[in-house]
Amino acid sequence: KQEVTQIPAALSVPEGENLVLNCSFTDSAIYNLQWFRQDPGKGLTSLLLIQSSQREQTSGRLNASLDKSSGRSTLYIAASQPGDSATYLCATTKAAGNKLTFGGGTRVLVKP
Amino acid sequence: NAGVMQNPRHLVRRRGQEARLRCSPMKGHSHVYWYRQLPEEGLKFMVYLQKENIIDESGMPKERFSAEFPKEGPSILRIQQVVRGDSAAYFCASSQTLGGWYEQYFGPGTRLTVT
Repeated sequence: KQEVTQIPAALSVPEGENLVLNCSFTDSAIYNLQWFRQDPGKGLTSLLLIQSSQREQTSGRLNASLDKSSGRSTLYIAASQPGDSATYLCATTKAAGNKLTFGGGTRVLVKP
Repeated sequence: NAGVMQNPRHLVRRRGQEARLRCSPMKGHSHVYWYRQLPEEGLKFMVYLQKENIIDESGMPKERFSAEFPKEGPSILRIQQVVRGDSAAYFCASSQTLGGWYEQYFGPGTRLTVT
C-alpha cells in the first residue's frame, strides 16, 4: 500500500527566499506524481505533473524533481511571494487512470 | 472550457437526512473521482467511476454511501442517513481518457455540515 509523506507539515519563510518542499513515497512503482496547491476553504489547483519516466518538470517559478528509486519528489518555488502562501500537496498514482494517494501537505506562509 | 463543477458548494443537513452531491466533469473527460477531506485530515480517495460503471470503490464506506455516473448528466455522490462524522469537504476530480497522462483536475468542493 502506497504511503505518501510530506515533511515539514508547516513552513514559514520571508518573502524572496526560495521554497523547498519535500514529498516521499514508499512504493516506487508509480505512474505519475502531481503537485497541487490548496488555498484555505478552496479546491485543489494542479501545479505540475511529472511522468514516471521524467526527472523534472518546470513551470515559471516552479520546478519539481522526481527520483523514483529513492521515492522522493521535491518542489522548488523560486523567489517566494506572499501570494505563494497556501498548502502544497503531492500525490501519486499507481497506474493510468488510477486513484491519487495524497500526502498530508505542507502549509506554507511567506511573510512580507 | 469550464473546469470541473460541483454543486452545491455548501450543504447543511440534519442527522438522518440524505445528502446529494453533484459533479460535472470537464468537457471531454470521462473519468470521475471522488475524494473526501475530513477536518484536519488529508485527502482520501473514495470512488472512481466512468460512464455507467464503478471502476474502484475501495475507499467508500460500506454503508450509507453510493455513487453513480450515468450516461447523461452529472456524477452523484449520495450519503444516506447522514451523521456528524460525515461533515467534511467532498471533492470531485476528472481526467481524460486519451493522452494527458490522466492528469486529474479538481472541482471547488462541496462542504457538507451535519447538524
